[in-house]
Amino acid sequence: GQNIDQPTEMTATEGAIVQINCTYQTSGFNGLFWYQQHAGEAPTFLSYNVLDGLEEKGRFSSFLSRSKGYSYLLLKELQMKDSASYLCAALDSNYQLIWGAGTKLIIKP
Amino acid sequence: NAGVTQTPKFRILKIGQSMTLQCTQDMNHNYMYWYRQDPGMGLKLIYYSVGAGITDKGEVPNGYNVSRSTTEDFPLRLELAAPSQTSVYFCASSPGGLADYNEQFFGPGTRLTVL
Repeated sequence: GQNIDQPTEMTATEGAIVQINCTYQTSGFNGLFWYQQHAGEAPTFLSYNVLDGLEEKGRFSSFLSRSKGYSYLLLKELQMKDSASYLCAALDSNYQLIWGAGTKLIIKP
Repeated sequence: NAGVTQTPKFRILKIGQSMTLQCTQDMNHNYMYWYRQDPGMGLKLIYYSVGAGITDKGEVPNGYNVSRSTTEDFPLRLELAAPSQTSVYFCASSPGGLADYNEQFFGPGTRLTVL
């Protein structure tokens, strides 16, 4: 079956760095997405990786290892507004997104 | 551009009632999707459409129906509402199905409670 695993909840301190991991098992693979979802709001796109390696976008970076079925989202210089759920989603061979349950990130001052 | 809009934002239904959740996008996207998200869970795909006149089932289609008569609109119909359909429903759209163009844009969601 198809499956996405990510931690349920993480806590970090304002100004610090946090890494949110995601492992995936899908029927075929056409890329890995990360979305941010604030409480009570819709998900918004953060990043997309299809090749191995690190993609950097300002304070956020995303890494992919296709051979290991693994990705992570790295958030630097954490701000209170980064408190949200972070959803990992893998694109399968039919170009359907398989979603993880999300990681709730709590930022403490 | 308004992006993806959904109505209503909130709704309470009685068991057995029916309703239609509306979704409209003004980005001329070919692909549209309906998801449900239960508390603490990920998104589950209900139905999707790759263009006007074409729809297909997702992971959890039972109890729902869709139609796609225009590029812009993708309504979701609930027949005979059940408590198990209490959820937040998100509509999304994307330019196309290929990976590079598959960033999905989401509407604000409809919070549905069935009592």
